[in-house]
Amino acid sequence: GQNIDQPTEMTATEGAIVQINCTYQTSGFNGLFWYQQHAGEAPTFLSYNVLDGLEEKGRFSSFLSRSKGYSYLLLKELQMKDSASYLCAAMDSNYQLIWGAGTKLIIKP
Amino acid sequence: ETGVTQTPRHLVMGMTNKKSLKCEQHLGHNAMYWYKQSAKKPLELMFVYNFKEQTENNSVPSRFSPECPNSSHLFLHLHTLQPEDSALYLCASSHGTGGSYEQYFGPGTRLTVT
Repeated sequence: GQNIDQPTEMTATEGAIVQINCTYQTSGFNGLFWYQQHAGEAPTFLSYNVLDGLEEKGRFSSFLSRSKGYSYLLLKELQMKDSASYLCAAMDSNYQLIWGAGTKLIIKP
Repeated sequence: ETGVTQTPRHLVMGMTNKKSLKCEQHLGHNAMYWYKQSAKKPLELMFVYNFKEQTENNSVPSRFSPECPNSSHLFLHLHTLQPEDSALYLCASSHGTGGSYEQYFGPGTRLTVT
């Protein structure tokens, strides 16, 4: 079957760095997405990786290893506003997104 | 504001009621989606429309009935729902359905079935 695994919850300190891991098993693969969802709000797009390696976008970076079925989202210089859920989703051979349950990130001062 | 609006934002309905959720996108996208989001569970894709044609129906019970009159509007008609259908219903849109097309989500409708 198809499956996405990511930690349920993580805690980090303001100003620090945190890495949120995601492993996936899909029938075929057409890319890996990360979304951010603040409580009570819509998910918003953060990144898309389809080739191996690191994509950097400001304070956020996303990494993909296709051979390992693994991705991570790296958040630097954490701010209180980064407290949110981070959703990992892999696109299968039918271009359908398979979603993880999300990682709730708690930032402490 | 993502360019995708949903109404109502909150809905309480009895199991014998009939109601409809509405979604509108102002982004010129061709694909629209309905998702169900339950607490601590992955997003569940319910329906996909591409150029007004339904392309996916992920074994959704017939008490949920989608309608897509044009590429900008999407409805989800609800009837004889069950308490386990209580969840956040999210609408999304994208330029297309393949590859790197990111999805833009609406704020959702919080549905409670009593």
